[in-house]
Amino acid sequence: AQKITQTQPGMFVQEKEAVTLDCTYDTSDQSYGLFWYKQPSSGEMIFLIYQGSYDEQNATEGRYSLNFQKARKSANLVISASQLGDSAMYFCALGSGNTGKLIFGQGTTLQVKP
Amino acid sequence: DAGVTQSPTHLIKTRGQHVTLRCSPISGHKSVSWYQQVLGQGPQFIFQYYEKEERGRGNFPDRFSARQFPNYSSELNVNALLLGDSALYLCASSWSNPLGGNTIYFGEGSWLTVV
Repeated sequence: AQKITQTQPGMFVQEKEAVTLDCTYDTSDQSYGLFWYKQPSSGEMIFLIYQGSYDEQNATEGRYSLNFQKARKSANLVISASQLGDSAMYFCALGSGNTGKLIFGQGTTLQVKP
Repeated sequence: DAGVTQSPTHLIKTRGQHVTLRCSPISGHKSVSWYQQVLGQGPQFIFQYYEKEERGRGNFPDRFSARQFPNYSSELNVNALLLGDSALYLCASSWSNPLGGNTIYFGEGSWLTVV
């Protein structure tokens, strides 16, 4: 069965510091993708970063990077230089197969302190 | 360029009624998926449509149905509404198969309250 686990219900970080949000996954598929989304209180799911299972380099998008450790089945999100606007819920999601289905974790609430 | 658009943004329905939610994908995107997000949880997959054909279905009752139109927009229909159907309904679009780097983008969602 496919599964995503986010073990940190809530995290605090000081403004301008870096923070790592954990994500582990389980899948028997050889080809899959890992996604991170940010969800502010408004509800919109904002795409942050994508990592394919065959990608050799860790994905980066601006202040976001994904620490992909395939053998450990982990795909942690690193946010550098945190900003107050980063305060939101963050979801890790696993996509595999041809259905386009994403399996989401329970999410991590990040609060950035000034 | 317009992102994924959903309508209505908020609605209140009574138990037993029917609801239709609408989604327009990003221009050029041919795949549309629907998710239900109950408060405090991650989104749950309901359906995926690609090129107007159903390609995936989640573990939801037959009260839930969907379709995709020739212009790739989509409707999600829910019959005989229950209180437990109260949730944020998210629509997502991608160019094709979401793997291989085809990013999946979400709309702002439709907040459904069943009373």
